[in-house]
Amino acid sequence: DQQVKQNSPSLSVQEGRISILNCDYTNSMFDYFLWYKKYPAEGPTFLISISSIKDKNEDGRFTVFLNKSAKHLSLHIVPSQPGDSAVYFCAASASGGSNYKLTFGKGTLLTVNP
Amino acid sequence: DTEVTQTPKHLVMGMTNKKSLKCEQHMGHRAMYWYKQKAKKPPELMFVYSYEKLSINESVPSRFSPECPNSSLLNLHLHALQPEDSALYLCASSQEKGVTTDTQYFGPGTRLTVL
Repeated sequence: DQQVKQNSPSLSVQEGRISILNCDYTNSMFDYFLWYKKYPAEGPTFLISISSIKDKNEDGRFTVFLNKSAKHLSLHIVPSQPGDSAVYFCAASASGGSNYKLTFGKGTLLTVNP
Repeated sequence: DTEVTQTPKHLVMGMTNKKSLKCEQHMGHRAMYWYKQKAKKPPELMFVYSYEKLSINESVPSRFSPECPNSSLLNLHLHALQPEDSALYLCASSQEKGVTTDTQYFGPGTRLTVL
């Protein structure tokens, strides 16, 4: 059972436009959500996170929105740059004894075209 | 500073070899992790160390043996691996297991090829 879903395997955007990456989850115990960016053959780089007590968190060009009732979060990148081209993983964790465990989505490949 | 370092970057080994992967962090983090990632898949958790003690083993075969010599170092000893163990091995660390907003920071990984 896939508890974190990224239904779009890929997304292509023009430079300067907005990129919106989506993520859905099924486990209502998840209360912390993270986005990681990954280049080929490299480790995931932490981008931004959001706690379930918030509905928005912003860091520079990156904004994450959380809709708890819909169990949906999204990452907005604006303006998009060619260097943003990478695989983006959504991840979630639940507080308590198992919060060490990150549950990852399968990733979305973002391509930003010059 | 959110750097986790891993060595070696690449490793090729035969099925009878013994090798070790190394991971280091100097962020004062008390939780460290080993993940395995296959191509086009998300990372899969293998082991978790909390305060230098193994707290989680995700049913990993015994040919993988983790070790945490001190709070900054994490090793993964490899012995008698199979070709299907070829993958990117990622180390991560976080401030403390049990904190709600505990963010894991990943190293660059070791690309392992088993012949």
